[in-house]
Amino acid sequence: QSALTQPASVSGSPGQSITISCTGTSSDVGSYNLVSWYQQHPGKAPKLMIYEVSKRPSGVSNRFSGSKSGNTASLTISGLQAEDEADYYCCSYAGSSSNWVFGGGTKLTVL
Amino acid sequence: QVQLQESGPGLVKPSQTLSLTCTVSGGSISSGGYYWSWIRQHPGKGLEWIGYIYYSGSTYYNPSLKSRVTISVDTSKNQFSLKLSSVTAADTAVYYCARGGYSYGPNPYFDYWGQGTLVTVSS
Repeated sequence: QSALTQPASVSGSPGQSITISCTGTSSDVGSYNLVSWYQQHPGKAPKLMIYEVSKRPSGVSNRFSGSKSGNTASLTISGLQAEDEADYYCCSYAGSSSNWVFGGGTKLTVL
Repeated sequence: QVQLQESGPGLVKPSQTLSLTCTVSGGSISSGGYYWSWIRQHPGKGLEWIGYIYYSGSTYYNPSLKSRVTISVDTSKNQFSLKLSSVTAADTAVYYCARGGYSYGPNPYFDYWGQGTLVTVSS
């Protein structure tokens, strides 16, 4: 069982917006602004999409945005495109005892 | 552009030691204040952080694996390595090396990843 809870799957049509939630506790998501999100296509390595809750690395589309409220972080993808279909994982710092914890992943299907 | 590449045996027998190496290109492993991590992904499952190392040799491991994990660095070869002892079938996974992982470092996240290597534990 993963430390952070994500929905197993979400779906949306091209052009729509979707949001993926990532629920942790006051020991991880709720305590640190060190939440990151990764996109993983089948057979590929994860790719950093969002870091420090809401920052986008250079080269990542501004259709991807992140936020956090309390113990829950969220990834929003607007203007869905077929290439966005992938698995998405959240990650949070959890203090020196556990360091880094990941969510179980969410499969995004673009209908 | 920093690139990472894992290498090592794809098959390890139960009770033996899994050994992998990550070769870093496009930048020095010793510069920038970066930390270097190992992360694994069980088949069809989520990600699990294993541990990180700094070029000085300073390490930190996931408490759940700490008793079996050793991460080392060879700055002359621009490589860092993972050893996981007493493996069982539960250690079968794709193992990734990645840059980052120190919460107070320049990148408290994982920004560059290797392609990953599948290690199967089986007799």
